Amino acid sequence: GQNIDQPTEMTATEGAIVQINCTYQTSGFNGLFWYQQHAGEAPTFLSYNVLDGLEEKGRFSSFLSRSKGYSYLLLKELQMKDSASYLCAVRDGDYKLSFGAGTTVTVRA
Amino acid sequence: IAGITQAPTSQILAAGRRMTLRCTQDMRHNAMYWYRQDLGLGLRLIHYSNTAGTTGKGEVPDGYSVSRANTDDFPLTLASAVPSQTSVYFCASSDGGRGDDEQFFGPGTRLTVL
Repeated sequence: GQNIDQPTEMTATEGAIVQINCTYQTSGFNGLFWYQQHAGEAPTFLSYNVLDGLEEKGRFSSFLSRSKGYSYLLLKELQMKDSASYLCAVRDGDYKLSFGAGTTVTVRA
Repeated sequence: IAGITQAPTSQILAAGRRMTLRCTQDMRHNAMYWYRQDLGLGLRLIHYSNTAGTTGKGEVPDGYSVSRANTDDFPLTLASAVPSQTSVYFCASSDGGRGDDEQFFGPGTRLTVL
């Protein structure tokens, strides 16, 4: 089976930086995704990593280390609208996505 | 462009009843998926379809069935609903042709089985 771990909750102040870690053990690996999900809404795609290293997209960056089974999502210059759940998902050897339980980020003024 | 739609938005259902959740996409995506999302457990894959005419079982398929008669539609049926099937159900689709293809999610169906 798949095992994907991420913290349950994090709190940060507006304008600050938050790093959400994700560790995984899966049967095969074909990429790691991060999704954002606001309360009561559908998940939306944030980032994709398949090679080791950092991918930057504006205020959001995602890092992957395949040898360590580790990824993080970095949110910079936090805004109130960034309050949401962030889902780490790994595509396994059968090209199916397995999701972590999600990290709820609360941004405080 | 609607993207991916689901119906109904929410439903309260008596245990033992049959229920079909509808999902339609207009992006001509090859692959479609059904997930359930429960508090503390994240999204879990129920069934998937890589292309029209084919389906496969995900992590939690028991009690559910799907069909994929055409590219656009992927209905999920609960033959005889039980309270443990109370959940939020998300349908998703992806192009399926590239390694980095993201999944697009519908707005979800909130199902309560009493």
